[in-house]
Amino acid sequence: SSELTQDPAVSVALGQTVRITCQGDSLRSYYASWYQQKPGQAPVLVIYGKNNRPSGIPDRFSGSNSGNTASLTITGAQAEDEADYYCNSRGGVVFGGGTKLTVL
Amino acid sequence: QVQLQESGPGLVKPSETLSLTCTVSGGSISSGGYYWSWIRQPPGKGLEWIAYIYYSGSANYNSSLKSRVTISVDTSKNQLSLKLTSVTAADTAVYYCARNSGNSPAYFIDYWGQGTLVTVSS
Repeated sequence: SSELTQDPAVSVALGQTVRITCQGDSLRSYYASWYQQKPGQAPVLVIYGKNNRPSGIPDRFSGSNSGNTASLTITGAQAEDEADYYCNSRGGVVFGGGTKLTVL
Repeated sequence: QVQLQESGPGLVKPSETLSLTCTVSGGSISSGGYYWSWIRQPPGKGLEWIAYIYYSGSANYNSSLKSRVTISVDTSKNQLSLKLTSVTAADTAVYYCARNSGNSPAYFIDYWGQGTLVTVSS
């Protein structure tokens, strides 16, 4: 079982806002990082630290943290955002189970 | 731009040893400041961290795999390696090498290899 808990699946209407959450005790000590993975591709970092986006990641992606919960928010979801999303914490050694995002 | 490339056999027999190499380009492993990881993903499943290593050779392992895993680094070749012994079908997965960055409390994986599928089958 994963030490970080994510909802297995979430859906959002095109252009709407969606929040993907990640829960775990390690999040009280470490920030989560978030990864987007499309079929047949390696994961891509989308959010890290308090709320940082790597170069090239659209600003519709944002992150937040509260207690034992980290959240990834996509404001104005696009069709190309449909993917699996994974959180990671505790120095990189634990992943959440992943959330499959469907854009309707 | 850092690039990582995994290489190794795509098919391993049960009970044998899986051996993979990751070649890093665009940056030196020995420059320090980063940990280098192996991560795997069984078909249709989530990501699982296996191990990471610093250029000095200091390593940390997933406790569930520790008895079967060895990670090593060859700074002269700018490579890291993974050995997993006594494999079973449950070890069938895409294996990624990756670079860990950041400082406490904000760590992240900023570069990933493309991944290599290893199938365990007779």
